[in-house]
Amino acid sequence: GAGVSQSPSNKVTEKGKDVELRCDPISGHTALYWYRQSLGQGLEFLIYFQGNSAPDKSGLPSDRFSAERTGGSVSTLTIQRTQQEDSAVYLCASRSTSGTVYGYTFGSGTRLTVV
Amino acid sequence: DAKTTQPPSMDCAEGRAANLPCNHSTISGNEYVYWYRQIHSQGPQYIIHGLKNNETNEMASLIITEDRKSSTLILPHATLRDTAVYYCIVRPLTGGGNKLTFGTGTQLKVEL
Repeated sequence: GAGVSQSPSNKVTEKGKDVELRCDPISGHTALYWYRQSLGQGLEFLIYFQGNSAPDKSGLPSDRFSAERTGGSVSTLTIQRTQQEDSAVYLCASRSTSGTVYGYTFGSGTRLTVV
Repeated sequence: DAKTTQPPSMDCAEGRAANLPCNHSTISGNEYVYWYRQIHSQGPQYIIHGLKNNETNEMASLIITEDRKSSTLILPHATLRDTAVYYCIVRPLTGGGNKLTFGTGTQLKVEL
């Protein structure tokens, strides 16, 4: 597609349940990033995928958070046993690391509310 | 990535130029200055980037001082739709390819 697509756009879940968030990056973009943004706060880096390299998981806040990227394209971010502090907007971005395009393109995010 | 300092907020009248400053006094020789903005309820949007020469595109102009310790993003004719948080980021163009680090940015409010 023309942009980065994220689904669902909104998700309300009960505390303790698992959730999966999906990101479809721009076709051909080899780099994919997950960020989260709590209400009124800045963007917090979570994880980064680049091609077939091992992902940079340095930003994942706990072992309840995991992410995978299948076939170098679609990525899913999984949060297990959700807590109220996990409520935030989860943003995905992709980037082409070839050619002259260096800007990151962000999706519109998934707003997660844990009740 | 080098640290950046931006004012927390600015106001601008519609139709006027919005000049958003950014200090990056510890910038390294291989680090570029990037600007992004985030309109409410949307993901950040890339605006422009530069190394040492002034840059212009359809969205904005970027003026970088000769010593590269500061820069200014210029929106020549601000509109209400330009109301957003503007982030100034410095990092290498290549190498690692890892995360952009977003600070707190400048909340620009464009008013009638």
